[in-house]
Amino acid sequence: AQKVTQAQTEISVVEKEDVTLDCVYETRDTTYYLFWYKQPPSGELVFLIRRNSFDEQNEISGRYSWNFQKSTSSFNFTITASQVVDSAVYFCALSEGGGFQKLVFGTGTRLLVSP
Amino acid sequence: DTGVSQDPRHKITKRGQNVTFRCDPISEHNRLYWYRQTLGQGPEFLTYFQNEAQLEKSRLLSDRFSAERPKGSFSTLEIQRTEQGDSAMYLCASSSRGLSSEAFFGQGTRLTVV
Repeated sequence: AQKVTQAQTEISVVEKEDVTLDCVYETRDTTYYLFWYKQPPSGELVFLIRRNSFDEQNEISGRYSWNFQKSTSSFNFTITASQVVDSAVYFCALSEGGGFQKLVFGTGTRLLVSP
Repeated sequence: DTGVSQDPRHKITKRGQNVTFRCDPISEHNRLYWYRQTLGQGPEFLTYFQNEAQLEKSRLLSDRFSAERPKGSFSTLEIQRTEQGDSAMYLCASSSRGLSSEAFFGQGTRLTVV
């Protein structure tokens, strides 16, 4: 069975601090996809990144970076120099290679960035 | 705005009433998904359409729930004889064909059953 664990329920940081959100997943498939979504107070889930199981290269996009390690089944997300606008709930999700995006989400990490 | 649109944004209903939600996906997307999100939890998959065909339903979708996607365009999710446990955010998402295409979510319909 698929499972995504986000052990950090809530993280509070001060603006400009770096912060890492942890994600650990479980799957029996060899082909799968991992995602991060951001959910601001408005409620809409905003897509941040997709990674397939065959690509373990880390990725950087502006202040965001992702570290994918199959050996530890982790897909962690780091925000560098956090800003107040980063305050949101962040979800890690997993989709097995079944041909459509049936996402299994973690319980989310609420990030609060204070000025 | 060409994103996923959901209507209504908020719905308050009395227990036992029927409610219907609508989702308009991104126009070129042939895949449409419904998820349910309760407070403090991540979204949970409910059902999936490819064009007009409903291809998968979660066991979370009891007999009181029905979803349709006539003509493969917009979709509706109906809940009959609502219960307080149905109170949640109902999210719709759409994606294009392809194993890795990401799903784009709407802003959701928040249902409160009183």
